[in-house]
Amino acid sequence: DTEVTQTPKHLVMGMTNKKSLKCEQHMGHRAMYWYKQKAKKPPELMFVYSYEKLSINESVPSRFSPECPNSSLLNLHLHALQPEDSALYLCASSQVPAGVYEQYFGPGTRLTVT
Amino acid sequence: GQSLEQPSEVTAVEGAIVQINCTYQTSGFYGLSWYQQHDGGAPTFLSYNALDGLEETGRFSSFLSRSDSYGYLLLQELQMKDSASYFCAGDLSGSARQLTFGSGTQLTVLP
Repeated sequence: DTEVTQTPKHLVMGMTNKKSLKCEQHMGHRAMYWYKQKAKKPPELMFVYSYEKLSINESVPSRFSPECPNSSLLNLHLHALQPEDSALYLCASSQVPAGVYEQYFGPGTRLTVT
Repeated sequence: GQSLEQPSEVTAVEGAIVQINCTYQTSGFYGLSWYQQHDGGAPTFLSYNALDGLEETGRFSSFLSRSDSYGYLLLQELQMKDSASYFCAGDLSGSARQLTFGSGTQLTVLP
């Protein structure tokens, strides 16, 4: 199974809402990533988890809060977002060590903040 | 600064060969990956060059020259389904924990 799943596929939320994005993989990968991608732009790294511990936080605003409950799951909790946060949010996973170059991406959650 | 630069657009016809270049600026470099992303889809891993030289995977080949800070993706026998965005990606930090994606190249294959 080489699939990374993400839910929901689409999400519309107001600026005062709290919502969560979910990501799951069953490839035994111990590194998981959150990316943000705007239209016609490359994915931008937000967070990296390695062995369920937060390894990298790319100076992401605190309104984005990641969580890694176990080796298969990765969540992104959203609160008080801004319209400019509207984007495609991609989850990815890879082997460790040295698997960073070959990442497996989920289909993404398309987020619209109104 | 550290970055990976690509041409923004490339157009070619079915059956042709196209080369997508990627140049990078960084003090240390540890390899180059290539990803394909169709409109509305997720990035998909294509290839990885850890060392200088050519890696071939079916119709796709990738090349890296660390002395020239340069790599490319070569697509042969182009098909309509190859129309997509292509990103090079590298570990610019040297940490082996994160990738930085290049600016991306939109490939359009014409009939």
